[in-house]
Amino acid sequence: DIVLTQSPDSLAVSLGERATIDCKSSQIILYSPNNKNSLAWYQQKPGQPPKLLIYWASTRESGVPDRFSGGGSGTGFTLTISNLQAEDAAVYYCQQYYSSPRTFGQGTKLEIK
Amino acid sequence: QVQLVESGGGVVQPGRSLRLSCAASGFTFSSYGMHWVRQAPGKGLEWVAVVSYAGDNKDYADSVKGRFTISRDNSKSTLYLQMNSLRTEDTATYYCAKDRSTSGNYWLDPWGQGTLVTVSS
Repeated sequence: DIVLTQSPDSLAVSLGERATIDCKSSQIILYSPNNKNSLAWYQQKPGQPPKLLIYWASTRESGVPDRFSGGGSGTGFTLTISNLQAEDAAVYYCQQYYSSPRTFGQGTKLEIK
Repeated sequence: QVQLVESGGGVVQPGRSLRLSCAASGFTFSSYGMHWVRQAPGKGLEWVAVVSYAGDNKDYADSVKGRFTISRDNSKSTLYLQMNSLRTEDTATYYCAKDRSTSGNYWLDPWGQGTLVTVSS
């Protein structure tokens, strides 16, 4: 199974600042047909289901603010949230869809100072 | 708009069975793979199972293989999860989610609101 390890487990960042969440994969998750990494990022707020933010590691879902960006390659990936807003407080998960079983990172809790 | 509504959760004793349903609307259900993902109270997300658009390809997490069965009825736009031999560690909110592909090999979007399953004596 592919293990995804997120860091940090939690972080507190001030309004207007930048937050960076890392996701490290135990294996390469590069999808050869399109040369893109099979990684998605989700945001989950309390009492709500997860919401898709990013897919193919760096493609922002329609309607997601451009403050959210994804990057990385190989086995290391990053979710960056710029100009933090109060509504960005949530738990963020990475997920690989390269192979079965699909696996999620353990989650990173983002608090806004 | 796309809507996924889960039902069937509740309190069940260990060893018993339960069937979850997920009613889909707002998209061509028969064209997409579908997943079940669960989340134990206060914990992270755990992928459970996937079924392809036609229902002929299925895959499961090892933790539920042999006990849970995913299925779909495209005529009713409904996804199911039959859960047998339930264990206390199966206690979780169960979400259904639409895959972006027909096969169920891509990302999950959107997700339903979830239904809580509590396994307890």
